[in-house]
Amino acid sequence: QSVLTQPPSVSAAPGQKVTISCSGSSSNIWNNYVSWYQQLPGTAPKLLIYDNNQRPSGIPDRFSGSKSGSSATLGITGLQTGDEADYYCGTWDSSLSAAVFGGGTTLTVL
Amino acid sequence: QVQLQQSGPGLVKPSETLSLTCTVSSYSISSGYYWGWIRQPPGKGLEWIGSVYHSGSTYYNPSLKSRVTMSVDTSKNQFSLNLTSVTAADTAVYYCARTPLQVTRVLSYSYTDVWDKGTTVTVSS
Repeated sequence: QSVLTQPPSVSAAPGQKVTISCSGSSSNIWNNYVSWYQQLPGTAPKLLIYDNNQRPSGIPDRFSGSKSGSSATLGITGLQTGDEADYYCGTWDSSLSAAVFGGGTTLTVL
Repeated sequence: QVQLQQSGPGLVKPSETLSLTCTVSSYSISSGYYWGWIRQPPGKGLEWIGSVYHSGSTYYNPSLKSRVTMSVDTSKNQFSLNLTSVTAADTAVYYCARTPLQVTRVLSYSYTDVWDKGTTVTVSS
């Protein structure tokens, strides 16, 4: 059971937009920064978003992050088949004094 | 560009100690950042194991804390993980990573911006 809750799967058509939610609590998302990762099949995860909405160099602006209260959202526009992957949210949990991840969401581009 | 490469056995016997070392290239560990370990059991999600600073300061996952030790060797630009008393539940892909981390009263941050390719560690007799 993950500290952060994500939907197991989402899907959308190529070219469309999709959002992935990440729900937490006052001890984690509410008071701390959120990050997002993309894990393509058989590869290591890659950082997409840090500090709620910041993109590392090289990450296209099709990927965006936002946070409201104890929930965060990853948005992906202009979906491509190459976006099919598992997506994870992460943050710091102040009560646990530990980094925590969501359970992951599998994106299918139909 | 920072690169990470880990080394260690791919097979560990139950009850023994899993030991992994990660060598950092193109960046001096002494310059800053926390460095950490994350694992992923087969078919499952990511689990943060812990992070270590060049000073030796550490944060560990509470669920693993009693079995985990992390250390840094600045002379070799390496950091290491020891996980004792392993069981089959510790079978996973283990990643070493750079884990920027700042813990404050509010708005702490923790994320992972550089990952190695991962190593599968199997616990089996």
